[in-house]
Parts: sequence; structure tokens; C-alpha cells
Amino acid sequence: EDQVTQSPEALRLQEGESSSLNCSYTVSGLRGLFWYRQDPGKGPEFLFTLYSAGEEKEKERLKATLTKKESFLHITAPKPEDSATYLCAVQDNFGNEKLTFGTGTRLTIIP
Amino acid sequence: DVKVTQSSRYLVKRTGEKVFLECVQDMDHENMFWYRQDPGLGLRLIYFSYDVKMKEKGDIPEGYSVSREKKERFSLILESASTNQTSMYLCASSSSMNTEAFFGQGTRLTVV
Repeated sequence: EDQVTQSPEALRLQEGESSSLNCSYTVSGLRGLFWYRQDPGKGPEFLFTLYSAGEEKEKERLKATLTKKESFLHITAPKPEDSATYLCAVQDNFGNEKLTFGTGTRLTIIP
Repeated sequence: DVKVTQSSRYLVKRTGEKVFLECVQDMDHENMFWYRQDPGLGLRLIYFSYDVKMKEKGDIPEGYSVSREKKERFSLILESASTNQTSMYLCASSSSMNTEAFFGQGTRLTVV
């Protein structure tokens, strides 16, 4: 059974203070690892897909990296508008399109 | 842009009512999903469909059913709503060519 664990549960940073969010996963065969951003009361918004260890993707102040056991979402010089819950999910190779999600990290950026 | 639209943002229903949640996507995606999201539990898959009239149980199908009569539309049905089905319900769709799923805005259902 696929499993995803995210840490920390919540993180408060000063504006401009860089940090990283962690996503540890267990999957028999990884098809893809996904990062989403979710604002309160809204559906998750797709950010990145990573497919293999060593892969990195960037978007504005966010960079996602992947190893064989975990993924990191690095946030560089964050702004208050980066405040959201960040969700990690995995998809395995066993023939269906199901995503298994972690419980998320709630990020707050203080001006 | 991909658009996944859920029919209601907020719903309040009484215990025992039959409830329909509707979802429409406009990108000709083969796959559609229903999740529920609860504090501390994250997103859990209820049902998914990879083709018209096809459905597969997810992790928590009990108390729910689904219908997919057209490719663009996927309905979640609560046959007899109960208070433990109070939750945020999220619909998503994806293409078999690209793996990422796109979500609707969510329906917050309260069963009283």
C-alpha cells in the first residue's frame, strides 16, 4: 500500500526566510510524485510532477526535488501570498490513475 | 486552461436524504475522481472512473455510489446521507497521457 508522510504539519516563516517542506513516501513502483497548493476553502492547484530520483523543477520561488525515498519543496525568500497548504501525492505503476495524498503542510508567511 | 466545475460550493442536507454531487470537466479527460477531505486525514479517494460507464472503488466507497454516463460528467451519490458524511468533497480529472490531476473548487457538504 502506498504511503505519504509530510512534515512539518505547520510552518510559520518571516517574509524572506527560506525553508523546505518534506514529503516521505513508500511506493512499490513510482510513476510520479506530485505537489499541489491548496488555499482555504478551495480545491488543490497543481504545481509540479517529478518522475525519477535526481529530478528538479522550479516555479517562481518554489523548487521541488526528488530522491528515492522523499521529496522536498524548497521555498526561497517567500512572500505572504505563498501562504497555503502544500500537498504531496504519489502515483504508482500498477495500472490505475489513483493518487495517494499526504495530509499536507500548512505554511504561513508573516509580513 | 483545464476546468473542473462542481455544481455547488456549499450544501446542507438532512440525515437520510439522497444527495447528488455533480462534476463536469471540459478537457476530454478519460479519468475522473471523487475525493473527500477531512482535517488530519487528508484527501481520501472514494471512487474513480477511467471511462464512460466504468467505475472503480477507491479507499472509502462505503455509503457512496457514482455514475458516469457521459465522458465529461461524473456524479457522486449519497444514497442516504449521514452526519459522518459531512466533509469537503473534491472532484478531479486527468488524462491517461499526462499523469497530473486537476481539481474542482470543492463542495462543502453538511449533513444535519
